[in-house]
Amino acid sequence: SQQGEEDPQALSIQEGENATMNCSYKTSINNLQWYRQNSGRGLVHLILIRSNEREKHSGRLRVTLDTSKKSSSLLITASRAADTASYFCATASSGGYNKLIFGAGTRLAVHP
Amino acid sequence: GAGVSQSPSNKVTEKGKDVELRCDPISGHTALYWYRQRLGQGLEFLIYFQGNSAPDKSGLPSDRFSAERTGESVSTLTIQRTQQEDSAVYLCASTPVGGSYEQYFGPGTRLTVT
Repeated sequence: SQQGEEDPQALSIQEGENATMNCSYKTSINNLQWYRQNSGRGLVHLILIRSNEREKHSGRLRVTLDTSKKSSSLLITASRAADTASYFCATASSGGYNKLIFGAGTRLAVHP
Repeated sequence: GAGVSQSPSNKVTEKGKDVELRCDPISGHTALYWYRQRLGQGLEFLIYFQGNSAPDKSGLPSDRFSAERTGESVSTLTIQRTQQEDSAVYLCASTPVGGSYEQYFGPGTRLTVT
């Protein structure tokens, strides 16, 4: 069964606006990762946040993690048309190896 | 350096035929993962290799699916007697060690079973 569930499933915004995507999961995690996928092919790692971290930044990306609510959010500020892609959260369970469980993703469309 | 590569990039096959998909991980990466992604969906874990340890095959959907990896090199995913529901993008990823690190993905193989 899927661990991460993203919402919304699809998001359409104008360039310059912020985009917020949410992810919920079910079991204890070691870390949570966000990936981006263009055109349904290879994924690119964006950011990793560990279970003992609450917030992390990377450029225009801001990720938060609330382990009490088993949820995470990805914020993209000042979006660009080039940010158009699908975004996935993936969780790595506590213990064991880095077997990632992916959600179904959020499809983001940024219009010029 | 070179990233993860996969071949072929696209494969069209007839129902009932066998197919073999190939993944070349990043040199030095000991852990290798295979995923399946159906259209519009997230990634499903298939199998994990870590060095010479026994692989975790818990995600393989049926005994028609198998995968091999020799040491820390190339891996092949074989699907026997393909079915239309096998149509998907098959993605391979590798990591430096089998811990909680980001995964580096290949471009995938798009498999279409007609």
